[in-house]
Amino acid sequence: QVQLQQWGAGLLKPSETLSLTCAVYGGAFSGHYWSWIRQPPGKGLEWIGEINHSGNTNYNPSLKSRVTISVDTPKNQFSLKLTSVTAADTAVYYCARTWSWTSKRRVYWYLDLWGRGTLVTVSS
Amino acid sequence: DIQMTQSPSSLSASVGDRVTITCRASQTISNYLNWYQQEPGKAPNLLIYAASNLQSGVPSRFSGSGSGTDFTLTISSLQPEDFATYYCQQSDSTPYTFGQGTKLEIK
Repeated sequence: QVQLQQWGAGLLKPSETLSLTCAVYGGAFSGHYWSWIRQPPGKGLEWIGEINHSGNTNYNPSLKSRVTISVDTPKNQFSLKLTSVTAADTAVYYCARTWSWTSKRRVYWYLDLWGRGTLVTVSS
Repeated sequence: DIQMTQSPSSLSASVGDRVTITCRASQTISNYLNWYQQEPGKAPNLLIYAASNLQSGVPSRFSGSGSGTDFTLTISSLQPEDFATYYCQQSDSTPYTFGQGTKLEIK
């Protein structure tokens, strides 16, 4: 059974760099995209970006200037870095698997497996 | 970016009720639409993918429909464990975007 385990610092000061890692256990790492999503307290979900085992990335343009998603395929891990954080970056950050499904020559993408989330608080 | 708008934002219903949640995309997305359920303090859980396909392990009382810009999630007979927040998400193009959520509460 595939599981995602994530970790990283939970309390940051403004201007610091957020750093989170997600490890994939019990299943294939290659052949999928792996995503980061965040959720500010009491608010909705925001997709941050994704990476595959080869290091190909897609980022949300709203965060692209501050975000780096990287991959360590031998370790089945992927990571998120977000620079120059402010209070607006306070959120629960989730890692997730982006599954692709092909039907009638169309490829569909959806987030089928999620980590438990890490609350990151930015406060001086 | 494609904007996703859900309605209603909140909904009160009783166990056994039939409930429908609507999601509208700001441009056509064919059937690149997914639905998630989120219980308080937990990660979202995939319910429906590609607008109408039930994820493995999800009860059959959940169903999805729609294409183009308008989509619905229906729960045929509410159970106590269904009281949660529901999100739609488009996967037509990146950045993937979510609706603002619909909170389903017990009447």
